[in-house]
This record gives sequence, structure tokens and C-alpha cells, in this order.
Amino acid sequence: EAGVTQSPTHLIKTRGQQATLRCSPISGHTSVYWYQQALGLGLQFLLWYDEGEERNRGNFPPRFSGRQFPNYSSELNVNALELEDSALYLCASSDRPNQPQHFGDGTRLSIL
Amino acid sequence: LAKTTQPISMDSYEGQEVNITCSHNNIATNDYITWYQQFPSQGPRFIIQGYKTKVTNEVASLFIPADRKSSTLSLPRVSLSDTAVYYCLVVTNRDDKIIFGKGTRLHILP
Repeated sequence: EAGVTQSPTHLIKTRGQQATLRCSPISGHTSVYWYQQALGLGLQFLLWYDEGEERNRGNFPPRFSGRQFPNYSSELNVNALELEDSALYLCASSDRPNQPQHFGDGTRLSIL
Repeated sequence: LAKTTQPISMDSYEGQEVNITCSHNNIATNDYITWYQQFPSQGPRFIIQGYKTKVTNEVASLFIPADRKSSTLSLPRVSLSDTAVYYCLVVTNRDDKIIFGKGTRLHILP
């Protein structure tokens, strides 16, 4: 069974640009979660999509947005990039909200 | 408002049992507690999940007392490869909050 896959692995942008990160969940999983992890720090919850709808979002500004497609894959968009957006962005999926989340290995976003 | 608290770091020796506790106030009786292990530059890996009493799998045990204000991850006979950061996670059913602890950096010494 393939795990959660994220693309790209690395992404380099400059301030003010826009970034799009993609996530494919484990087959059969309908919930997708996005997290931000700054270097050396813990995970900060960003967004949770379930069955195509946004179920909850963390304490992040509106320039962080995303969507979930009918095949349950998801993308995270970050507009007007700032230096402090540099981080590892992790995606996870689960087959039901109360079931364990399974993580990809992330996209490292670097803002120059 | 639910919140989780973990020790920042712990040291132990190979072959020892390690217990890491997560405090989580104000969680409901059907809120699950999940533990993850993370190595540098990798995503967290699922270890164990439960919501009451004791759960055991091939790598760890999870103890949850009756008041459910804390949970303890128990790693039997740790090895050097268990050096990692360990996170507890609570997802609350009533308001869909996702609450990760700040992580416990476990260092296993030879």
C-alpha cells in the first residue's frame, strides 16, 4: 500500500510569490490534514479537509488556503510569501477523523 | 479549551524502559490520544492510539488513567535507534480541534 505522497520535495520561492504544495493520501482515506513545522520546532495545525469540505483550520492568516479534490488529493496554497513561511509542510491522511493520521515526508519550502 | 503538555526532553540508556507522559486537560470521554515518533527530515510515524485504560502493540504501550487528564507512552527496552522526538496528539470530537503537544526529545545513550 502506497503511503502519503507529497510534491515537490523542495520548493524555493522569493518574498511575495505564491506557492502550491500537493498531497496524495493513502488510497481509501478521505481526510487530509496540513501542518507547518518550522526548523527544530513542533507541528502547527493548518487545515483539515474531510470528504471535500474544510472541516477546521488552525490559527493562520487567510493567505494560507487549500482545497480537496474529488479523488481526495489536496493542495495547499500560500500567497504573498513571507520569510517566516520557510518551513517543512507536512500532509497526513486518515480513513476516518478519529483514526490515526499517516504522514508524508513533507515539502520543504524555502523563502529567499 | 483543550491543551497538551509534554516534557521538553528526556535521556535514557539502552535496554531501559522509557515512559513519556502527556498532560491533556479538558478532553471528552471519546477523544482519542495518539502518539507519534519523528526523525529529522521525516514525517511523524504512528506509534499507538487509545482512549481509555491500556493499549499495547508490538512496539509500545499506552496507559490512560480513569480521569483521562494524562496519558503515558511506554517504550520497553529502548535502543539507540529510538532517539527521536515523540509527540502526543488529541483530536476533540465536539469541536474538531487538533492539538499536538510540543514534542519530547528522547536521547538514548549507550
